[in-house]
Amino acid sequence: KQEVTQIPAALSVPEGENLVLNCSFTDSAIYNLQWFRQDPGKGLTSLLLIQSSQREQTSGRLNASLDKSSGRSTLYIAASQPGDSATYLCAVLRRQLTFGSGTQLTVLP
Amino acid sequence: GAGVSQSPRYKVAKRGQDVALRCDPISGHVSLFWYQQALGQGPEFLTYFQNEAQLDKSGLPSDRFFAERPEGSVSTLKIQRTQQEDSAVYLCASSLRDTGIPGELFFGEGSRLTVL
Repeated sequence: KQEVTQIPAALSVPEGENLVLNCSFTDSAIYNLQWFRQDPGKGLTSLLLIQSSQREQTSGRLNASLDKSSGRSTLYIAASQPGDSATYLCAVLRRQLTFGSGTQLTVLP
Repeated sequence: GAGVSQSPRYKVAKRGQDVALRCDPISGHVSLFWYQQALGQGPEFLTYFQNEAQLDKSGLPSDRFFAERPEGSVSTLKIQRTQQEDSAVYLCASSLRDTGIPGELFFGEGSRLTVL
């Protein structure tokens, strides 16, 4: 059974810092990996999707990498802002999306 | 519509009541998923439809849970004889792809169920 782990569970940083969120998965036979953002009481907003054949994707200040063979992905956030405060979830797709428990990020002004 | 729409947003039920949660996917999206998210956890897969066909219901926690999508668009998740452990946010997601690989999923804001 696929298991997805996210480290750290929570992270608090001052505004302007660059930061890295980590995601690992146990079964490398995936179709893609997706990073989501979830604000309190809200649904999930898709940030980046990396196909299994790709190594990374970039969108604005966000960059996600995928190392399928080692079962790892990282989400890099440059120049963090208070508006980035949210829970970040990674999920891998095989038959369905399997999610990690998320990293709760707080960016302090 | 512009996005995935779920209703009701909030539902309080007494233990033993039946509830029905509705999902309107993005127009034209073939794949539809239901997830259950407990407080502080990531979403857990419940069931998956491709058009009106329920292709995977392996995540449904008990036979009290039932989902349908009779015309291949709107879906309803029904929970019979609700229990306190059913309290969670129920998320619906849809995807455009009509192959075996759903592709990028778009989520609704969820229905928060509280069972007293």
